[in-house]
Amino acid sequence: GNSVTQMEGPVTLSEEAFLTINCTYTATGYPSLFWYVQYPGEGLQLLLKATKADDKGSNKGFEATYRKETTSFHLEKGSVQVSDSAVYFCALRDAGGTSYGKLTFGQGTILTVHP
Amino acid sequence: DAGVTQSPTHLIKTRGQQVTLRCSPKSGHDTVSWYQQALGQGPQFIFQYYEEEERQRGNFPDRFSGHQFPNYSSELNVNALWLGDSALYLCASSLDRYEQYFGPGTRLTVT
Repeated sequence: GNSVTQMEGPVTLSEEAFLTINCTYTATGYPSLFWYVQYPGEGLQLLLKATKADDKGSNKGFEATYRKETTSFHLEKGSVQVSDSAVYFCALRDAGGTSYGKLTFGQGTILTVHP
Repeated sequence: DAGVTQSPTHLIKTRGQQVTLRCSPKSGHDTVSWYQQALGQGPQFIFQYYEEEERQRGNFPDRFSGHQFPNYSSELNVNALWLGDSALYLCASSLDRYEQYFGPGTRLTVT
């Protein structure tokens, strides 16, 4: 079955540091890939997405590139802010006809940014 | 335009009891998916409703059931609650199988 593996956390950075959160996946076919963010006490918000190989998703300074050859979708940001502190989830959506859009999530990575 | 709404926000139940959680989808959406997020874990897919029918189901026991109404809103029912059912329950709505938008969740505590 499909699976998503994220780097072990938590991640603690100082403001303006560079961020990388690793994500690799196992899936058949050509899934779509997503990063979601969850702030304390809230639901999930879509951060960015990529639907085919070599696509780059970007939003709010965050970027991730769909690498089919390495089955990866690593999240990066050049300069993090305190307000970026949250839990980040990598997810995939099956491309198959019977998947109906079901999302498979990684375990999440807690990011804490200090001033 | 209202997003996905869920009720109640928090709920405390006792082992063996039954619970019903509710979800109203984003305007224009016809599909509702439910996920369980245990503490410190990623969300796990429970099931999805489309055209008032359960279209796909994850690896959850029959104690978990649902319903979708003609206005596309949905309920999640859990019978014979276990301590392990304590989690954040997330509802996501979409237009058919496309991009899902999540609600704020219902925090269920089973004591």
